[in-house]
Amino acid sequence: DAGVIQSPRHEVTEMGQEVTLRCKPISGHNSLFWYRQTMMRGLELLIYFNNNVPIDDSGMPEDRFSAKMPNASFSTLKIQPSEPRDSAVYFCASSPEGGIDTDTQYFGPGTRLTVL
Amino acid sequence: DAKTTQPPSMDCAEGRAANLPCNHSTISGNEYVYWYRQIHSQGPQYIIHGLKNNETNEMASLIITEDRKSSTLILPHATLRDTAVYYCIGANNNAGNMLTFGGGTRLMVKP
Repeated sequence: DAGVIQSPRHEVTEMGQEVTLRCKPISGHNSLFWYRQTMMRGLELLIYFNNNVPIDDSGMPEDRFSAKMPNASFSTLKIQPSEPRDSAVYFCASSPEGGIDTDTQYFGPGTRLTVL
Repeated sequence: DAKTTQPPSMDCAEGRAANLPCNHSTISGNEYVYWYRQIHSQGPQYIIHGLKNNETNEMASLIITEDRKSSTLILPHATLRDTAVYYCIGANNNAGNMLTFGGGTRLMVKP
């Protein structure tokens, strides 16, 4: 299994530009999570999908951020327009559904975003 | 989710056991204790989790006190590759599998 795949691994853009981050979860996993990590704020959950439906987006910073999951094997996180304070590492994670335990999350390698 | 408290940093000698403590005095009865770690420049990695009983897998052991107010992650023979930030998380599957990461403990394994 290739694990969670994220692209691009690095993105450098200028303020005001649109940025799209992509994630392919592990096949068969029903839940998908987007996180952001900065030195100041640590690792923060942005949004969580279950069976392709957004369940909790309370962590999304503002309207400039949007996330979609058109099918079980693909999700995008879009920032439009981007700002320097959006610079961070963005992680995608997936987990299988169900069971008594809270399911283990498997993280991708992350996308390092730099907004100039 | 329960608030967890961990020391910000710890050192361990290579080959020795690393014992990482975590306090979670507000943990509720149906919340699990999860441990993840993050090696520099990588995504977080699941290590182990437990509810009441002690747990062991190929990576580590988890010791949970009887009152469940604290736990200890044990890496029995730490290697240099175990240098990472270790996160202890109280998680409730009623919260939709969401994990709230705190500051974690930065473990430095030294030769």
